[in-house]
Amino acid sequence: TQLLEQSPQFLSIQEGENLTVYCNSSSVFSSLQWYRQEPGEGPVLLVTVVTGGEVKKLKRLTFQFGDARKDSSLHITAAQTGDTGLYLCAGADSGTYKYIFGTGTRLKVLA
Amino acid sequence: DVKVTQSSRYLVKRTGEKVFLECVQDMDHENMFWYRQDPGLGLRLIYFSYDVKMKEKGDIPEGYSVSREKKERFSLILESASTNQTSMYLCASSLGTGVPPTDTQYFGPGTRLTVL
Repeated sequence: TQLLEQSPQFLSIQEGENLTVYCNSSSVFSSLQWYRQEPGEGPVLLVTVVTGGEVKKLKRLTFQFGDARKDSSLHITAAQTGDTGLYLCAGADSGTYKYIFGTGTRLKVLA
Repeated sequence: DVKVTQSSRYLVKRTGEKVFLECVQDMDHENMFWYRQDPGLGLRLIYFSYDVKMKEKGDIPEGYSVSREKKERFSLILESASTNQTSMYLCASSLGTGVPPTDTQYFGPGTRLTVL
């Protein structure tokens, strides 16, 4: 069974600080996605990375896919209270339509 | 605007009851998914469907079944609810661009099921 471990599990920081969330696996994924989930809502897609070594930027968020396509990171610069939420990575299972979700990182940004 | 709706936001059932969770998408998507979400475990796939009347087991199908009679509707059935099925249930759909997937999954708001 493919697993995606995220770290840290919880993170509480002050507004303006930088942070990095990690998503690691021993399996290779053909692509990887990051989602953010707010309380009472379903997850919403932030980004999809497909190529090993790929870096994508979305305003203050930077996403990186590892060279071996086994891991990924999400870096947030100058965090804002609106960044608060549960961040989930999801890897595409190469042989099927399935996505494997990570264990999640709950971020709280304090004003 | 894309939309995935789930029949209930909150549901309370008794042990042994048969429970139906309904999900409807209005995007003409091929793929639909049912997940359960538990703290510290992320989302775990129960079942998915890549076409009408087609279904495949996910990682935790035991105690669940599904039905997809129409393209827009995907139902999750708990044949005999048990307390360990208390959880948040999320439905999702995606366009279905192929294998392996790269398309966006669109999620409903979730159903929080409590089994007493």
